Amino acid sequence: EVQLVQSGTEVKKPGESLRISCQGSKYTFSKYWIAWVRQMPGKGLEWMGIIYPGDSKTRYSPSFQGQVTISADKSITTAYLQWSSLKASDTAMYYCARRSVHDDISLLDYWGQGTLVTVSS
Amino acid sequence: SSELTQDPAVSVTLGQTVRITCQGDTLRRFYASWYQQRPGQAPVLVIYGKNYRPSGIPDRFSGSTSGNATSLTLTGAQAEDEADYYCHSRDSSGNHEVFGGGTKLTVL
Repeated sequence: EVQLVQSGTEVKKPGESLRISCQGSKYTFSKYWIAWVRQMPGKGLEWMGIIYPGDSKTRYSPSFQGQVTISADKSITTAYLQWSSLKASDTAMYYCARRSVHDDISLLDYWGQGTLVTVSS
Repeated sequence: SSELTQDPAVSVTLGQTVRITCQGDTLRRFYASWYQQRPGQAPVLVIYGKNYRPSGIPDRFSGSTSGNATSLTLTGAQAEDEADYYCHSRDSSGNHEVFGGGTKLTVL
C-alpha cells in the first residue's frame, strides 16, 4: 500500500533553520503532487502548498508564501518542508499528503504520520 | 478566515443520523473532499466529490452537494465516528486549496 513516512519530532530555538522530510513509497512518486498541511496546537488543518516531484513545480498558499520552502528529490522519493528562521508561531504538527485528482476533484488520499515541530527558547 | 465555513461542533445520538455541512462560494465551481481526524491521529479521506468513498470507508458515510454547500452524512453513527471532520476544496483562484475550519462530532 502507498506509504508516506515523515521525519521525527523536532525541538528548535527561534531563529534556527529546519528541514523536515516526507518519503513516499509503493507508488510512482514523481507523478503525484505532495501537499503540506499545518495543524497548530488545538486548531484546524491549514493547506500550506504543494509540489509536483516530477518537475518540482510548486504552489504556495498566500498565507505561507515566503515563509517556507517546499522542495522534492524524486531520485529518493522524498519531499521537504524548510524554514530558514523559525518562530515560536511555527510550533505545530506538519503533515504531508499525496494529492490525487479524480474528475477534477482534488483529494488527499494518503497521509504521513505527521512531524511535530516545537520552537521554544 | 477560510473560504469554507463549517459549524464548529455537532452532536448525534448513537445509531442516529447526522449531517455535517461545509459552505462556500467556491463550492459552486469545485467539488470538495472530506477528512476524518481522530484525536492524535493523521486525517483520513472519507468522501470526495459527489459521493465517492475510498476503499475501506464504511458505507454509513455519504456525501452530497447543493448550490454553495456540501454535506457529509453519517447514517447510524457509531462511537468510533467521534472525531473532527474537515472539508477541503480549491480556493476562488482555483490554483490553491483550503480546508474548512473543522467540525467536532460528538457521539452521545
